[in-house]
Amino acid sequence: NAGVTQTPKFQVLKTGQSMTLQCAQDMNHEYMSWYRQDPGMGLRLIHYSVGAGITDQGEVPNGYNVSRSTTEDFPLRLLSAAPSQTSVYFCASSSFDRANTEAFFGQGTRLTVV
Amino acid sequence: AQSVTQLDSQVPVFEEAPVELRCNYSSSVSVYLFWYVQYPNQGLQLLLKYLSGSTLVKGINGFEAEFNKSQTSFHLRKPSVHISDTAEYFCAVSSRYGYNKLIFGAGTRLAVHP
Repeated sequence: NAGVTQTPKFQVLKTGQSMTLQCAQDMNHEYMSWYRQDPGMGLRLIHYSVGAGITDQGEVPNGYNVSRSTTEDFPLRLLSAAPSQTSVYFCASSSFDRANTEAFFGQGTRLTVV
Repeated sequence: AQSVTQLDSQVPVFEEAPVELRCNYSSSVSVYLFWYVQYPNQGLQLLLKYLSGSTLVKGINGFEAEFNKSQTSFHLRKPSVHISDTAEYFCAVSSRYGYNKLIFGAGTRLAVHP
């Protein structure tokens, strides 16, 4: 069982470039989310989705877009990368089963913008 | 809205000593509480969670936490730590009405020394 899979694991971008971070889960979870992790700041929510076709903004959405065309996939797009977006990005998924609520995380994507 | 404060950014401890990692939260509604662990270059893994019932919650790897509603705290404890417990620990909170949406603290780095 793969769980939550993120690709790529590492990426270096030049300022102004665009790219898509991929996230896929095979647990049929309704809820998916993207976080960024920065030293001393914990994980901050970028965007989340409660099901296919439904997305919403989190705490730090500026500079990022998402879409959810299938239950399994939740890609994160950086439209024009900036050095402030240098971070480690985590995708997570969870079910709507209240008694078993637990977020499963991917291994992360370490992004450097130069 | 919810917020989480982890009172210690780093906790050094000797092997086989007890440890407590402190977490306080703020919320205007009832909450669920979680502790996650992140080993180096890994994603996050659930240690334990409090949803309801007994305020003392036991998790994996010998960790436990106690929910104290009056003090709005959810401190994590282990009676005897091992070198392998060296990791970063995150306290997280979610609303009972939007329980998939996790808000994280800044993290506590636990360093276990021989």
